[in-house]
Amino acid sequence: DSGVTQTPKHLITATGQRVTLRCSPRSGDLSVYWYQQSLDQGLQFLIQYYNGEERAKGNILERFSAQQFPDLHSELNLSSLELGDSALYFCASSVIPSTAVTGNTIYFGEGSWLTVV
Amino acid sequence: GENVEQHPSTLSVQEGDSAVIKCTYSDSASNYFPWYKQELGKGPQLIIDIRSNVGEKKDQRIAVTLNKTAKHFSLHITETQPEDSAVYFCAASRSGGGADGLTFGKGTHLIIQP
Repeated sequence: DSGVTQTPKHLITATGQRVTLRCSPRSGDLSVYWYQQSLDQGLQFLIQYYNGEERAKGNILERFSAQQFPDLHSELNLSSLELGDSALYFCASSVIPSTAVTGNTIYFGEGSWLTVV
Repeated sequence: GENVEQHPSTLSVQEGDSAVIKCTYSDSASNYFPWYKQELGKGPQLIIDIRSNVGEKKDQRIAVTLNKTAKHFSLHITETQPEDSAVYFCAASRSGGGADGLTFGKGTHLIIQP
């Protein structure tokens, strides 16, 4: 158990709908990352937050947004869902933003399975 | 951006034998190379990592080697055991996985045959 908690574990929704995925980082971790895992694209970095502020953006679609709250939990909002958004969404956390110098270990949660029908 | 190629996609070895998984990367500025193990129904778990100022790192049965000139790095697992069966991912980053995230390879499904 990594200590990163994600809910829900599974979610089925229809095209055009909006869903929110929730993540609680490990106790004491200030930085949260979101990744998407699909069969065709593999594991892709979406976005990173540190202590409530957006720190880095990866391949995140404009239909997707995220935020990190004062209690450090994070939410990933996916809107106008398409069939191709079906994937496993991972949240990860580290103590502080991992850098080339600090290289803090990034711990992954068990993911939220999203199926769009 | 960074591109990471990982081979093989599937690797089957006899229990007790060694397994080697290889990755190449494209961005010469990358300086952090972690390896993750993902078991069915679980998230990726860091098993070992290496930085560009080090050529090799070992942790019990697991070792990683890095060749910066050739831009490739490898995972070596010795004395494989049934619990080593999983999907292994290599990754690369120029920022320790922070500012540019981790760029992952497509994964290697390691099967340990009894």
